[in-house]
Amino acid sequence: NAGVMQNPRHLVRRRGQEARLRCSPMKGHSHVYWYRQLPEEGLKFMVYLQKENIIDESGMPKERFSAEFPKEGPSILRIQQVVRGDSAAYFCASSPWRELAKNIQYFGAGTRLSVL
Amino acid sequence: DQQVKQNSPSLSVQEGRISILNCDYTNSMFDYFLWYKKYPAEGPTFLISISSIKDKNEDGRFTVFLNKSAKHLSLHIVPSQPGDSAVYFCAASLLKTSYDKVIFGPGTSLSVIP
Repeated sequence: NAGVMQNPRHLVRRRGQEARLRCSPMKGHSHVYWYRQLPEEGLKFMVYLQKENIIDESGMPKERFSAEFPKEGPSILRIQQVVRGDSAAYFCASSPWRELAKNIQYFGAGTRLSVL
Repeated sequence: DQQVKQNSPSLSVQEGRISILNCDYTNSMFDYFLWYKKYPAEGPTFLISISSIKDKNEDGRFTVFLNKSAKHLSLHIVPSQPGDSAVYFCAASLLKTSYDKVIFGPGTSLSVIP
């Protein structure tokens, strides 16, 4: 009965490289959310996905960031050509069918991205 | 434009006393509110929630109060224990919308002093 799994836990990239963050939701959960937490700040919503669909990406920067949740496999948050300002903790959360969930989301432990 | 505000970045409380964490929101359409707790190097975990049709919800040592007219909610922890030391995030959502977007506040770091 594993929880939300994120990997890697820590990721170091040099400026200009690509970062790929993975998230496996809890079993039976079809909704995935990505959040970013900058140092000394709260959780900022980035994107909400269901299987094979992006439902809301209003929190995603317009360039360099993309997310997917394929039919098979984990959800991926991809950051191309990383810059120092991308250094943050990225959290993934999942939830089951909304009537049951009452908007309760289950979070992974996060991926801490450091851009050198 | 911060829709959910937690104006106290930090709070220190003596063990055994009451901890009161406050949260204000700006959107009167929010109809469901949640509190999450986060330890360092871990993800947030759900703590307690309240629907806008209620003004109080209690779960053990944790009680959440909602004042809709003031657009204010608070989390009370009684008695506070050292293990409660964590960052607490207030969150608000719209259950009536077509999807489950949740807006988080910036968090309050609670320290319970033994």
